[in-house]
Amino acid sequence: KAGVTQTPRYLIKTRGQQVTLSCSPISGHRSVSWYQQTPGQGLQFLFEYFSETQRNKGNFPGRFSGRQFSNSRSEMNVSTLELGDSALYLCASSLAAGVTTGELFFGEGSRLTVL
Amino acid sequence: AQKVTQAQTEISVVEKEDVTLDCVYETRDTTYYLFWYKQPPSGELVFLIRRNSFDEQNEISGRYSWNFQKSTSSFNFTITASQVVDSAVYFCALSEAVIKAAGNKLTFGGGTRVLVKP
Repeated sequence: KAGVTQTPRYLIKTRGQQVTLSCSPISGHRSVSWYQQTPGQGLQFLFEYFSETQRNKGNFPGRFSGRQFSNSRSEMNVSTLELGDSALYLCASSLAAGVTTGELFFGEGSRLTVL
Repeated sequence: AQKVTQAQTEISVVEKEDVTLDCVYETRDTTYYLFWYKQPPSGELVFLIRRNSFDEQNEISGRYSWNFQKSTSSFNFTITASQVVDSAVYFCALSEAVIKAAGNKLTFGGGTRVLVKP
């Protein structure tokens, strides 16, 4: 059974640019969550999508957005990149049939460096 | 607001020693889940355990054991007879109430880096 796949694994951008990260969940999983991991702030929840609808959102500015497609694949976008957006972005999928389960399966992440 | 504190930032042990990772949490919810995840150098977080707030029984899985004490808001994790492969960062996490059907939003602690030397 394939795990959670995130692309690209590494990318370098400059301030002001925008970036799109992709996540393919485990087959059959309908919930996709995104987390940002930085040395200073640790792991922080960005948002969660379930059946193409955003179900939860963390405390991040509007520059951070996401969406989920009918096949449960998800993308997140960060516009007008800032140096502080440099981080490991982790995607997690879950069966999550409408209630909190929390048993998340994580991908290896996309490491974004903003210069 | 929910909060998870892992006071130990790094622990170094010699192989075969036991190591205990502390986790203290804060929540106003009466129903919640607690978790431990392992993050090896590859980066992906690996699920280790989930504990419902109503279930205070301790759990053992191989060399891993967990001690949940609601009275002190703690959910500690012990690795018995540590091995080099246990070297990783370990995260404790808390989720919102099941009743809210709020989805999969976890609040993570800062993590504890465990280094097991041969």
